[in-house]
Amino acid sequence: GENVEQHPSTLSVQEGDSAVIKCTYSDSASNYFPWYKQELGKGPQLIIDIRSNVGEKKDQRIAVTLNKTAKHFSLHITETQPEDSAVYFCAARSGAGSYQLTFGKGTKLSVIP
Amino acid sequence: ETGVTQSPTHLIKTRGQQVTLRCSSQSGHNTVSWYQQALGQGPQFIFQYYREEENGRGNFPPRFSGLQFPNYSSELNVNALELDDSALYLCASSPRVSHNEQFFGPGTRLTVL
Repeated sequence: GENVEQHPSTLSVQEGDSAVIKCTYSDSASNYFPWYKQELGKGPQLIIDIRSNVGEKKDQRIAVTLNKTAKHFSLHITETQPEDSAVYFCAARSGAGSYQLTFGKGTKLSVIP
Repeated sequence: ETGVTQSPTHLIKTRGQQVTLRCSSQSGHNTVSWYQQALGQGPQFIFQYYREEENGRGNFPPRFSGLQFPNYSSELNVNALELDDSALYLCASSPRVSHNEQFFGPGTRLTVL
């Protein structure tokens, strides 16, 4: 089955700096890669996603890149703000017929004011 | 538009007991997936329901079972509770089974003593 590795497990940045979280996946048939933000006591919130036929996607301060050859994808947050502090999860969805998401173990991002 | 709701928010059970968790999918969504999130880990896929039938299952024993009702709401049942079943149980809904995005509810925190 699919295996998703996520790094780093914790990340501290100064407010205004950029943050980058990286993930690798094992199943070359995976074709959908979402990123979720989870705040304390809440369920994961979808913040951005990318499909396997796209190399990069951007939404305001958040961007995701995908390298299918290397089987890795990354989340980039620019101009970080204290409210960006949360746990971020990457996930991968395997090929047709299987709609389950396989998640990484998460990255705890702390933005220091 | 109402999002995914789950009940109860918290639950305490003793080992060997049975528990039922409930999920109401987002309006217009006909597919429901259940995930288990242990403390400090990413969510793990339990199973998915579509058209009232199980449509894919993760690596969980048969004592984890579910139902989906005609209004697309769903239940997760766990029999013979074990201490390791203590976790946050998340429900996610999608507009249709082939749709990529999954939208999560706030979860039910289950503690097994």
